[in-house]
Amino acid sequence: KNEVEQSPQNLTAQEGEFITINCSYSVGISALHWLQQHPGGGIVSLFMLSSGKKKHGRLIATINIQEKHSSLHITASHPRDSAVYICAVYTGANSKLTFGKGITLSVRP
Amino acid sequence: NAGVTQTPKFQVLKTGQSMTLQCAQDMNHEYMSWYRQDPGMGLRLIHYSVGAGITDQGEVPNGYNVSRSTTEDFPLRLLSAAPSQTSVYFCASSYSGGGAFTEQFFGPGTRLTVL
Repeated sequence: KNEVEQSPQNLTAQEGEFITINCSYSVGISALHWLQQHPGGGIVSLFMLSSGKKKHGRLIATINIQEKHSSLHITASHPRDSAVYICAVYTGANSKLTFGKGITLSVRP
Repeated sequence: NAGVTQTPKFQVLKTGQSMTLQCAQDMNHEYMSWYRQDPGMGLRLIHYSVGAGITDQGEVPNGYNVSRSTTEDFPLRLLSAAPSQTSVYFCASSYSGGGAFTEQFFGPGTRLTVL
């Protein structure tokens, strides 16, 4: 069983919709990371969080440590939000990241 | 700042050839790491370094060597390329390791094909 599970695997939305991407993990962590990867592009960090909620523009990330679950919300989605969204957790003594497989989001105009 | 740079962007090798993927960062980060990304799988850690002169194996180290002679550079060497090493390789760096809560910065990736 993967230590980090993301759902749904693929997601298609219409422009303007509210989108939720989920991440569940099975190990103890010190922090959780949400990353964005555009097609053919590099990987960019969106959020790091260890508790509660963070907001940046139209993106909101939440984490529930007790339930080992995090969500990434996108409000008023736009085609430029189309990307792969990756959840990763910090485990171990040397900041080793364990990654989920990523969710491919496609936002249609 | 250039951030994390990787060269080359694309590379085609024949089985058995050797090559070095270059990674450099100009942010004075102590922690650097190499990942590979394969279809249908999450990023997997190959090797990492917590500082100059210190390296350690990650999840999938076989077939790869690393060294860290300076804080800035962390090259990844493929000693004898195999088709199973066809992948996209990402180098990343962060301010510190040791379980600290710190943002990781990724390079643009190297797409390697081994024939």
